[in-house]
Amino acid sequence: QKEVEQDPGPLSVPEGAIVSLNCTYSNSAFQYFMWYRQYSRKGPELLMYTYSSGNKEDGRFTAQVDKSSKYISLFIRDSQPSDSATYLCAMNPGGYNKLIFGAGTRLAVHP
Amino acid sequence: GAVVSQHPSWVICKSGTSVKIECRSLDFQATTMFWYRQFPKQSLMLMATSNEGSKATYEQGVEKDKFLINHASLTLSTLTVTSAHPEDSSFYICSASPWGSYEQYFGPGTRLTVT
Repeated sequence: QKEVEQDPGPLSVPEGAIVSLNCTYSNSAFQYFMWYRQYSRKGPELLMYTYSSGNKEDGRFTAQVDKSSKYISLFIRDSQPSDSATYLCAMNPGGYNKLIFGAGTRLAVHP
Repeated sequence: GAVVSQHPSWVICKSGTSVKIECRSLDFQATTMFWYRQFPKQSLMLMATSNEGSKATYEQGVEKDKFLINHASLTLSTLTVTSAHPEDSSFYICSASPWGSYEQYFGPGTRLTVT
């Protein structure tokens, strides 16, 4: 079993839809959770960074962490074609440990 | 803020030669820098972790004599692919963590093609 599980998709939605992206994990020591967006042939871009459980909102993006269920989510409201990319979840226990990445979910938002 | 640059963005070299890739944190000091490799449609594979002024820590299966990492300052790390072969062709991405925080900011990546 992988430490972090993420459905690779692809996920195809119409413009304006609410997108839900999810990851599950097995290591209860993880405390720092990140979501990255990666366009083709580019480096990942940090979208959201949260510590421990709870919600965090930034514009159209909302990150949720449920440590009791070992489950994290990223919601994208009013999705746009420019949101079409691969979304990677990542997490670590802190202390400059390496990030553990999910496989990435490919999202396509069509007009 | 939190910008990381890489140079070059694309390089083609002949088999047997060495290639150096630079990673710079432009607006912050990075205690720790990381080097990743990514194959098409796959997730990131961590190659090594480097801390300024000390030897890099390589992941299992990564040849340290082939992939030389130097973290010379708090804003610069270099990856040298020695005696490159076609199987080393890949997308190499670095990331950096600002002092006192755990998130990583990634560079734009370097596409290496070995002919």
